Amino acid sequence: DAKTTQPNSMESNEEEPVHLPCNHSTISGTDYIHWYRQLPSQGPEYVIHGLTSNVNNRMASLAIAEDRKSSTLILHRATLRDAAVYYCINSGGSNYKLTFGKGTLLTVNP
Amino acid sequence: DTAVSQTPKYLVTQMGNDKSIKCEQNLGHDTMYWYKQDSKKFLKIMFSYNNKELIINETVPNRFSPKSPDKAHLNLHINSLELGDSAVYFCASSPQKLAANSYNEQFFGPGTRLTVL
Repeated sequence: DAKTTQPNSMESNEEEPVHLPCNHSTISGTDYIHWYRQLPSQGPEYVIHGLTSNVNNRMASLAIAEDRKSSTLILHRATLRDAAVYYCINSGGSNYKLTFGKGTLLTVNP
Repeated sequence: DTAVSQTPKYLVTQMGNDKSIKCEQNLGHDTMYWYKQDSKKFLKIMFSYNNKELIINETVPNRFSPKSPDKAHLNLHINSLELGDSAVYFCASSPQKLAANSYNEQFFGPGTRLTVL
């Protein structure tokens, strides 16, 4: 399985931007980078995905390094509702078979 | 509401029993999945069905048998339950047929917490 490395935890203050890093040094050319998040006691929720170019949607932005070996999920203004575990997934050639790692536990302080 | 739903939400049972968890999606999706999240919070795929056909079977004991009566339903039957089966089981669905170069966002249900005593 393709591996990603994320910090175990990060902390942010409400209404401040949050940058969640992810390393995926073994990524191959056709692998998507997916981000999901899991709020407490809920199922995972899709956040964003990308291949080579930076991506924006209503939830977040995804900045992908030029060599694609790392990416950063950006939450522009963190809210208390963004407190969750964020998973960065490199699905290793299978864009439907997601393998979740430990993720980053994001704490948002009021 | 359009969503992925699972029943029951909680299931407590004795070792050795047989139990089923049901999943339904009314999103019109072609593909459905079962995931298991263990006590350490690792989330692993177990099965995937595309239009009632088994696509992924990830080294799961054969005590676990998924059944898809139609493409909107994927149920999980577990025989001879063991203590190690205690976990949260998530059902998910995605819109398109599985293909290497297509992107499939997955929509997850709320989970079923199974406790085996």
